[in-house]
Amino acid sequence: KAGVTQTPRYLIKTRGQQVTLSCSPISGHRSVSWYQQTPGQGLQFLFEYFSETQRNKGNFPGRFSGRQFSNSRSEMNVSTLELGDSALYLCASSEGQGWNNEQFFGPGTRLTVL
Amino acid sequence: SQQGEEDPQALSIQEGENATMNCSYKTSINNLQWYRQNSGRGLVHLILIRSNEREKHSGRLRVTLDTSKKSSSLLITASRAADTASYFCAIRKTTSGTYKYIFGTGTRLKVLA
Repeated sequence: KAGVTQTPRYLIKTRGQQVTLSCSPISGHRSVSWYQQTPGQGLQFLFEYFSETQRNKGNFPGRFSGRQFSNSRSEMNVSTLELGDSALYLCASSEGQGWNNEQFFGPGTRLTVL
Repeated sequence: SQQGEEDPQALSIQEGENATMNCSYKTSINNLQWYRQNSGRGLVHLILIRSNEREKHSGRLRVTLDTSKKSSSLLITASRAADTASYFCAIRKTTSGTYKYIFGTGTRLKVLA
């Protein structure tokens, strides 16, 4: 099976712009979670989607949003970009919802905000 | 302070030695997970240990969990240069009926050949 794929791998944006990141889970996986990783804050949970519904959400402002499609692919959107949004954004998929399932991570999208 | 805190922050050992990393947390859990991250393979799940388990093995990895002390340890035996990576513990925290997955700040392990 192919692993989790994320596109694009690298992205450069300027403050105030918006960005959409894409994640394709492993075939058959219905849960997709998103994380932000920065040197200062480490890995932080953004949200989790299962069967097209957001099930859990971390402590991020409303500028961060996401969605999941019927084929389990997920997109994450960040509006009105700030310098502090520069980070590695990781997506993870699992077969079922919740913490008891092993998560498989993609390679990440490196976002740089100038 | 952030839950899921690893100790030490950095560890440097010689190939063949054992490496032990510790993780402390503050909330009740139903399981705790360990992950490894390196530049080549990204973030990889290593072991999941449930709250009713005290020890779990996977190859050269051994994880222990002490729920009374709210701590876990990861032991890598006979380390190899390829084990050089950052290691994270992660827990799920329940807040107002929703879950947040919290990763620790990680232990950076360097194995010298």
